[in-house]
Amino acid sequence: GQNIDQPTEMTATEGAIVQINCTYQTSGFNGLFWYQQHAGEAPTFLSYNVLDGLEEKGRFSSFLSRSKGYSYLLLKELQMKDSASYLCAFMDSNYQLIWGAGTKLIIKP
Amino acid sequence: DVKVTQSSRYLVKRTGEKVFLECVQDMDHENMFWYRQDPGLGLRLIYFSYDVKMKEKGDIPEGYSVSREKKERFSLILESASTNQTSMYLCASTRQGGNTIYFGEGSWLTVV
Repeated sequence: GQNIDQPTEMTATEGAIVQINCTYQTSGFNGLFWYQQHAGEAPTFLSYNVLDGLEEKGRFSSFLSRSKGYSYLLLKELQMKDSASYLCAFMDSNYQLIWGAGTKLIIKP
Repeated sequence: DVKVTQSSRYLVKRTGEKVFLECVQDMDHENMFWYRQDPGLGLRLIYFSYDVKMKEKGDIPEGYSVSREKKERFSLILESASTNQTSMYLCASTRQGGNTIYFGEGSWLTVV
C-alpha cells in the first residue's frame, strides 16, 4: 500500500532552525514535494526532490533518501512569517500525488 | 505569472442545491485536479483530468461530478449538496510530466 506521514504540529523560536520530517511508503516513486500553506490560502510550491540528497534554496532546504522513504524540510533563521502548514507529498508510479496531512509550524518570538 | 483562478472564494448553499465550482488556468496545462481539504485530513483528490473531455475518479468522487469541455476550464459539480460537503475546495493544474503543481486560491463552501 501507500502511505505518508508527517508530524501534526511543531513549535520553534524566531531565528532558530527547524526540521520537519516526512516518511512515506510506496512501490513506485516519481519525486517528493514540499508546499507551504498559510491559513486560509492555497499551498505554494517550495521544493521538489527526485534524487537522493540535499537541495538548498535560500533559508529552506529539502532532503531525500529514497532507500529510507524519508524526506525533511529544513528552515533556517526562522521568521514569524514562516508560521504556516507545511505539506509533504510524493508522486507515485502513476504520477498521482499522495499528500500528507500537513505539519502546522508555530513560530514564537 | 502562472495563474489558476477559482471563480468563487466563499459560498453558502442550502442542502439539496446544485453547486458549480469553476476553475480556469492560463498555462495551457494538460492536467487539472480538484481536491478538498479538511482539518487533519490533508488534501484528498476528488477528480482529475488529463485532457479535454477526459475525467478520472480520485479517492473520494462520491457526490461529485466534473466537466472539462475546454482545456483551460475544469468544473466541479455537486449535484445535490449535503452538509458533509462543507469544506475548502482546491483546484490545481500541471503540465504533462511536470514537477510543479499550481493551485488556485481555494473555494470555501458551507452547506447549511
